[in-house]
Amino acid sequence: SQQGEEDPQALSIQEGENATMNCSYKTSINNLQWYRQNSGRGLVHLILIRSNEREKHSGRLRVTLDTSKKSSSLLITASRAADTASYFCATASYYGGATNKLIFGTGTLLAVQP
Amino acid sequence: EPEVTQTPSHQVTQMGQEVILRCVPISNHLYFYWYRQILGQKVEFLVSFYNNEISEKSEIFDDQFSVERPDGSNFTLKIRSTKLEDSAMYFCASSGWGGDSPLHFGNGTRLTVT
Repeated sequence: SQQGEEDPQALSIQEGENATMNCSYKTSINNLQWYRQNSGRGLVHLILIRSNEREKHSGRLRVTLDTSKKSSSLLITASRAADTASYFCATASYYGGATNKLIFGTGTLLAVQP
Repeated sequence: EPEVTQTPSHQVTQMGQEVILRCVPISNHLYFYWYRQILGQKVEFLVSFYNNEISEKSEIFDDQFSVERPDGSNFTLKIRSTKLEDSAMYFCASSGWGGDSPLHFGNGTRLTVT
């Protein structure tokens, strides 16, 4: 399997419910990031968690990272119809330099029903 | 808020033709990237560029591809002889210094090779 696999591939929930997406990766990382992509648009950075962090919050987003299991989860609380999008995790591994080459996961398509 | 801009939004070309995709990264960013996304598939890294040279490239980025920063503001991706399988959405991104700097993506150029 590839670096950055996500599940579920697709998730449909009702407005107001929480949405949880999971990401697994294979190699050691420096940080893990989550991006959102609306249909036909570019990716938008949501949140970054460093390898020495276990949990991070930003507004309605909560990210966890378990480096022993090489996995991360993204929780969106109190979802809104406007949260409908694809969500991707991306891992960064850099050695010495500062290049932030990201390897993206397969993505979760979230549909929030009004 | 500064943003990455890409032109054109859609490019149609015939197989074997050369195409140049253009990007204007965020002005104070130091690292520049090209990614591509074949319809319905994951976002794939092509190349990163720093200090006027390629810092890293993937196996996809073969001799048919080249990048250039001709004038200090534009960042271009050239495909010399397009193939049908080059049809994809091409995203330009830029980031500031440091491995924890998030990537800022443009809205992409949809390349269709016929």
